[in-house]
Amino acid sequence: DAKTTQPPSMDCAEGRAANLPCNHSTISGNEYVYWYRQIHSQGPQYIIHGLKNNETNEMASLIITEDRKSSTLILPHATLRDTAVYYCIVRVGNTNAGKSTFGDGTTLTVKP
Amino acid sequence: KAGVTQTPRYLIKTRGQQVTLSCSPISGHRSVSWYQQTPGQGLQFLFEYFSETQRNKGNFPGRFSGRQFSNSRSEMNVSTLELGDSALYLCASSWSGGDNEQFFGPGTRLTVL
Repeated sequence: DAKTTQPPSMDCAEGRAANLPCNHSTISGNEYVYWYRQIHSQGPQYIIHGLKNNETNEMASLIITEDRKSSTLILPHATLRDTAVYYCIVRVGNTNAGKSTFGDGTTLTVKP
Repeated sequence: KAGVTQTPRYLIKTRGQQVTLSCSPISGHRSVSWYQQTPGQGLQFLFEYFSETQRNKGNFPGRFSGRQFSNSRSEMNVSTLELGDSALYLCASSWSGGDNEQFFGPGTRLTVL
């Protein structure tokens, strides 16, 4: 699986959009980009995933660059409860999908 | 529907003992993966089971083993516990793999004294 690079920490003001970047320059054509978050001492929570098109769900939007070498997770209106570690991972969409390689993630702190 | 459940939630063992952790996936999910999370190493993949067969394996010693039952429930076993095995052990389930998202359980916090 391709390696990802994320900034170790970011701050965001409550109510503002949080934009979390991720670099995955060695991504392969059959690898998906997934985002998870982990609130302290809980299991990671799935947020969103995509292959090459931008995706949106009730939690967030995922913007993937045309060359697929980077992506941005957007939380449109961050709340204090969005404070967590956010993981960007890339994973092959086949039988290896049960194996996810997590990096160090980005610790997002939402401030009032 | 119910999420991924893991038992026990907390466990204290001593060095040299063995431990068995249990994971019940979301109903209908056939893939179960196990991860170890420690402050120093982060989240590391242990192994994945699909339809009672180990499909993927991470870089952990043979003291770490697992199995999956016909109802997709999974157990992992750690023998001859070491202090460094203290960690949060997470289980994740998905329907079949592919591009399906994984849903994680709350984890089992293992402390080895």
